[in-house]
Amino acid sequence: EAGVTQFPSHSVIEKGQTVTLRCDPISGHDNLYWYRRVMGKEIKFLLHFVKESKQDESGMPNNRFLAERTGGTYSTLKVQPAELEDSGVYFCASSQDSLTSMMGQFFGPGTRLTVL
Amino acid sequence: AQSVTQLDSQVPVFEEAPVELRCNYSSSVSVYLFWYVQYPNQGLQLLLKYLSGSTLVKGINGFEAEFNKSQTSFHLRKPSVHISDTAEYFCAVRTDGGGSYIPTFGRGTSLIVHP
Repeated sequence: EAGVTQFPSHSVIEKGQTVTLRCDPISGHDNLYWYRRVMGKEIKFLLHFVKESKQDESGMPNNRFLAERTGGTYSTLKVQPAELEDSGVYFCASSQDSLTSMMGQFFGPGTRLTVL
Repeated sequence: AQSVTQLDSQVPVFEEAPVELRCNYSSSVSVYLFWYVQYPNQGLQLLLKYLSGSTLVKGINGFEAEFNKSQTSFHLRKPSVHISDTAEYFCAVRTDGGGSYIPTFGRGTSLIVHP
């Protein structure tokens, strides 16, 4: 069974540009989560999808970030326009059951975003 | 609100030596506690978790952790490390009941095992 995959693995862009990150969850997992880790700091929750609906987006830093999950399968996270402080590693995770999410939450390898 | 503190950003050890990675948390309610590991170029992988019951929890790869409620700690230990244990380790906490199920992570501890 394939795990959670993320694309690209690395992205280097200039301030003001747009970047789109993609996450493919484990097949059959209705719950999809985005997290971010800024260099040297803690991993922070961004948002949670249940199928195509946003269940919780309380962690989204500002309106430059837009997450979508059309069709309830893969998800994209777009940053537009990117700022220097957006640099970090963006993790995606998926799980079958949101209530016990930590019991069975599977993480992808992350996308390392560098904004110059 | 809850928080997690991993005091050591980096822990260098020699192969076959014991290691302890420290984790302290604060929370006004009961919590579940977790340790995750991230090997280079891989996703976070659950090492072990404390939900209830015995305070000594055993996980994969020979790691164990002890929940100490009075000291609000959940330190991770391994009696003899291998080169392959070189990775970043994250402690995480979430509430054990109602309310947010979103985990709070620590800043991570980089374990570097030298030959």
